[in-house]
Amino acid sequence: AQTVTQSQPEMSVQEAETVTLSCTYDTSENNYYLFWYKQPPSRQMILVIRQEAYKQQNATENRFSVNFQKAAKSFSLKISDSQLGDTAMYFCAFMKHTNNNAGNMLTFGGGTRLMVKP
Amino acid sequence: DTEVTQTPKHLVMGMTNKKSLKCEQHMGHRAMYWYKQKAKKPPELMFVYSYEKLSINESVPSRFSPECPNSSLLNLHLHALQPEDSALYLCASSQSYRRGTNIQYFGAGTRLSVL
Repeated sequence: AQTVTQSQPEMSVQEAETVTLSCTYDTSENNYYLFWYKQPPSRQMILVIRQEAYKQQNATENRFSVNFQKAAKSFSLKISDSQLGDTAMYFCAFMKHTNNNAGNMLTFGGGTRLMVKP
Repeated sequence: DTEVTQTPKHLVMGMTNKKSLKCEQHMGHRAMYWYKQKAKKPPELMFVYSYEKLSINESVPSRFSPECPNSSLLNLHLHALQPEDSALYLCASSQSYRRGTNIQYFGAGTRLSVL
């Protein structure tokens, strides 16, 4: 079984500054995917960024980037130039690669509540 | 369009009521999911449908009954719920693994209160 741990229940950052959210995971799988999802007060889970384990290059999406350390089983999210709209709960999630049609299960970490302050 | 639509947004029901939650997507996704999320906790998987067939049931009590009438629609029928079933119920969908990306797209959820 996989486990995902987010060690920072709450964080805050000043607007325009940079913040890093931590995530570690435990798995015996070699082929998998990692995700960061954002859930603002509006409740909708929104995909922030996705990383494939076989890719060494870290994924980036505009102001969001990850530091993926496969050997250390670490997957942190860096948010640059923080904006008020980044205030949300952030979930790190793991998905095992499958070769069947059964659907893909996400294992979520406990979440980090991020507050961006003006 | 990456939209998953859930109705209703809010639902209040008594323990003897029967109600249904609805989820719809028109992205051609063939896998659909129901999650339960309690306050300040991560979502917990309940059911997975793949190609309109139930593929995963995470030992959910029988008072929750999922249904997938077609590839675009997913229902969750509720009957004789308990107050501890009050939560946010999220629906998600994704492409089948053969079609590449396995990203799950989520709806905004139904906030359920059981009195």
